[in-house]
Amino acid sequence: GAGVSQSPSNKVTEKGKDVELRCDPISGHTALYWYRQSLGQGLEFLIYFQGNSAPDKSGLPSDRFSAERTGGSVSTLTIQRTQQEDSAVYLCASSYTSGRGLGSYEQYFGPGTRLTVT
Amino acid sequence: GQNIDQPTEMTATEGAIVQINCTYQTSGFNGLFWYQQHAGEAPTFLSYNVLDGLEEKGRFSSFLSRSKGYSYLLLKELQMKDSASYLCAVRGSARQLTFGSGTQLTVLP
Repeated sequence: GAGVSQSPSNKVTEKGKDVELRCDPISGHTALYWYRQSLGQGLEFLIYFQGNSAPDKSGLPSDRFSAERTGGSVSTLTIQRTQQEDSAVYLCASSYTSGRGLGSYEQYFGPGTRLTVT
Repeated sequence: GQNIDQPTEMTATEGAIVQINCTYQTSGFNGLFWYQQHAGEAPTFLSYNVLDGLEEKGRFSSFLSRSKGYSYLLLKELQMKDSASYLCAVRGSARQLTFGSGTQLTVLP
């Protein structure tokens, strides 16, 4: 596709339920990132994928959060037993990376999934 | 640890120039990014600095001083559509970006 897509765009769930958020990165982008943005706040890094592996999971807030990526493309972020503090916009970004240098590989963001836990 | 500071809000007049400052303290440094985010939308890339100095791109310019841990985004000839949140982000020793909380810019007629 032309850009990063995310689904659903909005999700309202009851406390204690599990939710799954999906991200389709730009074709050919090997790096994929998940961020969380609470109202009026900056972006909080959650996890990063290079290909299908996640070298950095340091941002995941708790063991209720997990993510996977298959085929070097689509990624899903799963939140188990949701809590009200999980309410936020979850943003996915992808970037092109090559070689060992970091370069100016800007991240292209999807429109986000607005999660509301009631 | 990572720490990025930028003003919470700024107001300017259409046609004017505004400078949004960002200071950072990070573990390692591999570039500083500025993103623009309109309400309810995804952030969009504006600029990237990895060496000291000024990068100019149309009405927008970004400056970096690595020794001072300081950057600014300069917006010239402000337009109403420039009203948005401007996010400063630093890539440290890892690949992910650490974002500041954003500066909400309001452009008044």
